[in-house]
Amino acid sequence: AQRVTQPEKLLSVFKGAPVELKCNYSYSGSPELFWYVQYSRQRLQLLLRHISRESIKGFTADLNKGETSFHLKKPFAQEEDSAMYYCALSGYNTDKLIFGTGTRLQVFP
Amino acid sequence: DAGVIQSPRHEVTEMGQEVTLRCKPISGHNSLFWYRQTMMRGLELLIYFNNNVPIDDSGMPEDRFSAKMPNASFSTLKIQPSEPRDSAVYFCASSLPQGRDSYEQYFGPGTRLTVT
Repeated sequence: AQRVTQPEKLLSVFKGAPVELKCNYSYSGSPELFWYVQYSRQRLQLLLRHISRESIKGFTADLNKGETSFHLKKPFAQEEDSAMYYCALSGYNTDKLIFGTGTRLQVFP
Repeated sequence: DAGVIQSPRHEVTEMGQEVTLRCKPISGHNSLFWYRQTMMRGLELLIYFNNNVPIDDSGMPEDRFSAKMPNASFSTLKIQPSEPRDSAVYFCASSLPQGRDSYEQYFGPGTRLTVT
């Protein structure tokens, strides 16, 4: 079965601390993995996708097929990173995205 | 482009009433998705359309929920009769035709539904 698991509902850190939002997935083929973010009073939007291998707003995520993980990392958190983060998965030849339950990141000053 | 447009933004109704949520996707996008967001279950896909045709409705909770897409620029999600457990934020999203770079979904602002 296709599934995305985000074990933490809430992650609180202080500004400047490293951040890692965990995401594990279950999929029988080769998935596409994404991170979406929802800032306060803004629309849910794409943050990054594994296929692009890019850093967005200082965030990176590496697809680890052995551990079936796609953790989101940032070395130094900023207050403006406070938001709801969703990990999502899509399979080959489908438009459908499977989302995790989300992790709320709070960055304190 | 105003992006994906949803209406109404807020809806408060009484149990048993019919509720209709509306969505206008981004022009040129041929896939449209309806999601429900709750604290407990996060973001759940209810149904999605491709070229106005329903492709996967396995997430629709029960027969009280129905969705239509009569043309490329409009879709509705209807709940009849509504129940308090339907209270949630309902999102509509759209995306470009399928391809290796087309998986980005563009979300609307959502409709916050409260059923009392």
